[in-house]
Amino acid sequence: GAVVSQHPSRVICKSGTSVKIECRSLDFQATTMFWYRQFPKQSLMLMATSNEGSKATYEQGVEKDKFLINHASLTLSTLTVTSAHPEDSSFYICSVGQGVSEQYFGPGTRLTVT
Amino acid sequence: AQSVTQPDIHITVSEGASLELRCNYSYGATPYLFWYVQSPGQGLQLLLKYFSGDTLVQGIKGFEAEFKRSQSSFNLRKPSVHWSDAAEYFCAVGPTGGGNKLTFGTGTQLKVEL
Repeated sequence: GAVVSQHPSRVICKSGTSVKIECRSLDFQATTMFWYRQFPKQSLMLMATSNEGSKATYEQGVEKDKFLINHASLTLSTLTVTSAHPEDSSFYICSVGQGVSEQYFGPGTRLTVT
Repeated sequence: AQSVTQPDIHITVSEGASLELRCNYSYGATPYLFWYVQSPGQGLQLLLKYFSGDTLVQGIKGFEAEFKRSQSSFNLRKPSVHWSDAAEYFCAVGPTGGGNKLTFGTGTQLKVEL
């Protein structure tokens, strides 16, 4: 399967600042990447589908202006949490693949907003 | 709306003992069914998946799962657990008619006692 990395693995930022999370597909040409969020004791929730060279598709209830997604190449997608607040503290996970039958997940990024 | 229930948040078993992790789903039709495992610092790894056919599915690492349509269940089993199986396990469902959205359960944390 594909190897997916995320950077950083952990980040702490102050309320009101923005933070960028990178998702890299190391050996898979990913036209589509997926961003998930996982709150403690809760399941992973799909936030958005990142499409290379076009706009991301956001799930209902996810603010596109707050969670900016850029998928500029076949190996890199970035998620920027703008004007972060403590309620944005979560575990963010990306995956690459084609549809639900074949997705490969990154190790996740732990975001803490103070 | 679709949902996945993993009723056991934590399970502790002795090494060498058998294991069964429960998963029930609510879906409009029979979905694609998945089990993933997540170890600390690692991305979610696919253990096995069910699309159609034989309702007993074999996966990696000696795991198997059985799809029971009448019970809307897809329980994961292993006859003899190894200490390295300690991790978090997620059941997930996905649409059969295309689409990218995986719906996850809240996970079951497995602890293995030596």
